[in-house]
Amino acid sequence: RKEVEQDPGPFNVPEGATVAFNCTYSNSASQSFFWYRQDCRKEPKLLMSVYSSGNEDGRFTAQLNRASQYISLLIRDSKLSDSATYLCAVRPGNKLVFGAGTILRVKS
Amino acid sequence: GAVVSQHPSWVICKSGTSVKIECRSLDFQATTMFWYRQFPKQSLMLMATSNEGSKATYEQGVEKDKFLINHASLTLSTLTVTSAHPEDSSFYICSATPGGGNQPQHFGDGTRLSIL
Repeated sequence: RKEVEQDPGPFNVPEGATVAFNCTYSNSASQSFFWYRQDCRKEPKLLMSVYSSGNEDGRFTAQLNRASQYISLLIRDSKLSDSATYLCAVRPGNKLVFGAGTILRVKS
Repeated sequence: GAVVSQHPSWVICKSGTSVKIECRSLDFQATTMFWYRQFPKQSLMLMATSNEGSKATYEQGVEKDKFLINHASLTLSTLTVTSAHPEDSSFYICSATPGGGNQPQHFGDGTRLSIL
């Protein structure tokens, strides 16, 4: 079993749609959780950290469920510019472990 | 803040050449930096943890003699791919965490390595 698993995707959605990604992790000792966005042939860029109480940043909402060991990302009112690969990342120690990523394609 | 610079961004060279990639933290000191590799349509795979002033810690399956890491200062880590072959062609990315702890990692721009 992979240490971090994500929805395989791709997700093809129309502009304005709400889309949700899930990510599960196997190491219960994990302490930090993040969502990164990666555009084609570019480095990952931090989208948001995920806090225990859940957090929101504009159209993006991240949630953490420690009991079930998953994190989620909700994107509301999708824009064409949201098209990218979304990577969840989990830190059980000082290393960051990434999921394989979920491709999102927002179409007009 | 928290800028990580990586150089070069693109390398094309012949098989057998050794290639050095630099990773710099521009506005913070990093005692630890990380080197990742990403093949097309795959996720980032951690290769090694670079530790300032000491030996790097390599992940299982990564040849330390093939991928030489030097972290001689608090703002610079280098990865040298020795005697590169076509199968080493990949996207190499470094990252560092300002402040350590639970802070997120910030990534360099990545280096796209193509071995002919």
